[in-house]
Amino acid sequence: GAVVSQHPSRVICKSGTSVKIECRSLDFQATTMFWYRQFPKQSLMLMATSNEGSKATYEQGVEKDKFLINHASLTLSTLTVTSAHPEDSSFYICSARDSAGNMAEAFFGQGTRLTVV
Amino acid sequence: AQRVTQPEKLLSVFKGAPVELKCNYSYSGSPELFWYVQYSRQRLQLLLRHISRESIKGFTADLNKGETSFHLKKPFAQEEDSAMYYCALKSAGAGSYQLTFGKGTKLSVIP
Repeated sequence: GAVVSQHPSRVICKSGTSVKIECRSLDFQATTMFWYRQFPKQSLMLMATSNEGSKATYEQGVEKDKFLINHASLTLSTLTVTSAHPEDSSFYICSARDSAGNMAEAFFGQGTRLTVV
Repeated sequence: AQRVTQPEKLLSVFKGAPVELKCNYSYSGSPELFWYVQYSRQRLQLLLRHISRESIKGFTADLNKGETSFHLKKPFAQEEDSAMYYCALKSAGAGSYQLTFGKGTKLSVIP
């Protein structure tokens, strides 16, 4: 099956710094990628929809300036957490839909555990 | 707004026993529902979708619009079924693939 790779899998950063998380579709093109956030013992919450070549669509309550999304190519989307604070510590997961494949299936990255100290 | 509810955080069953993971949804349109599974230390992966009406790894799920449910069932649980299971609902819209997830149910199959 298709593979989505996230990097890094874990990151610890100091409060006030920025962190970039990459999401790559390794063997397919993805015009649309999605970024999710998961707090402990809670559900995956959609943060934003990333569209190649255009601005991301953010869900209500998600700060655009805080979580910068760039989808510059058909195989790469990045999420940058700017001026990170401890409350941004969470598990971030991306998913990608194969543009040429089955409309109904999305593939998930392995997730990134962000800890802000 | 759409909502997916998985009432059980943890479900423990003995090997060979039947399994039913509950999922209820709230959605104003015509729903498209999925079950995703996450094995220990692995990523989320699609298990099955209601439109395919398929059986994957012995699991089936039937969409019941009257009860707004999409419960996941397997007649005989296996140890390798132990994992985290998420029910998800797809938002409508051309080209849309936004998923709303339930909180997940951890299935533990006891040998």
